[in-house]
Amino acid sequence: EAQVTQNPRYLITVTGKKLTVTCSQNMNHEYMSWYRQDPGLGLRQIYYSMNVEVTDKGDVPEGYKVSRKEKRNFPLILESPSPNQTSLYFCASSLSGGFGYTFGSGTRLTVV
Amino acid sequence: QKEVEQNSGPLSVPEGAIASLNCTYSDRGSQSFFWYRQYSGKSPELIMFIYSNGDKEDGRFTAQLNKASQYVSLLIRDSQPSDSATYLCAVLISSGSARQLTFGSGTQLTVLP
Repeated sequence: EAQVTQNPRYLITVTGKKLTVTCSQNMNHEYMSWYRQDPGLGLRQIYYSMNVEVTDKGDVPEGYKVSRKEKRNFPLILESPSPNQTSLYFCASSLSGGFGYTFGSGTRLTVV
Repeated sequence: QKEVEQNSGPLSVPEGAIASLNCTYSDRGSQSFFWYRQYSGKSPELIMFIYSNGDKEDGRFTAQLNKASQYVSLLIRDSQPSDSATYLCAVLISSGSARQLTFGSGTQLTVLP
């Protein structure tokens, strides 16, 4: 089944403790992206990647890192999480970026 | 200034009516336009995309694009209670190989039985 898989689905952590949210797609898509979704603010892009080793900042990149060492994987790293990073995170992938994205199931992160 | 604007709603329509959802965007370089549906607690799901001015129909859904007015809309005919969801408008801007997809904050639609 073609899909984007994110893990974990739910995560509660403490301020300052490094964490990684994994994302993997099995569709051989070139484009991958991370979004965060907050009430009233909609989906905001954090980082995106156009191919292996090619990444660029989205609208809200501060406090996040990404890497794209393999085409299928695009992990999101929070080196020192803070409470304002409490949010619902979505990973998404697209064949070429021009045909819309397929979204993962989401990761609900709480930073206390 | 927000790049993609939608009325947050909530928008309520009776079952069987036409639901009209609207979206405006600020960047005239925007090339492709998407409508996603998001049920509560679920991930966004692509339902329509449109590239050219005019209308595009797919079943009960019609997307309309007017680039001169920087306006895109989604019409849902014969609305059903199962259409109750948040509808997200998204705009794609391409620059070289970069493709940035920007979303509006969504319109919450409720279809009343």
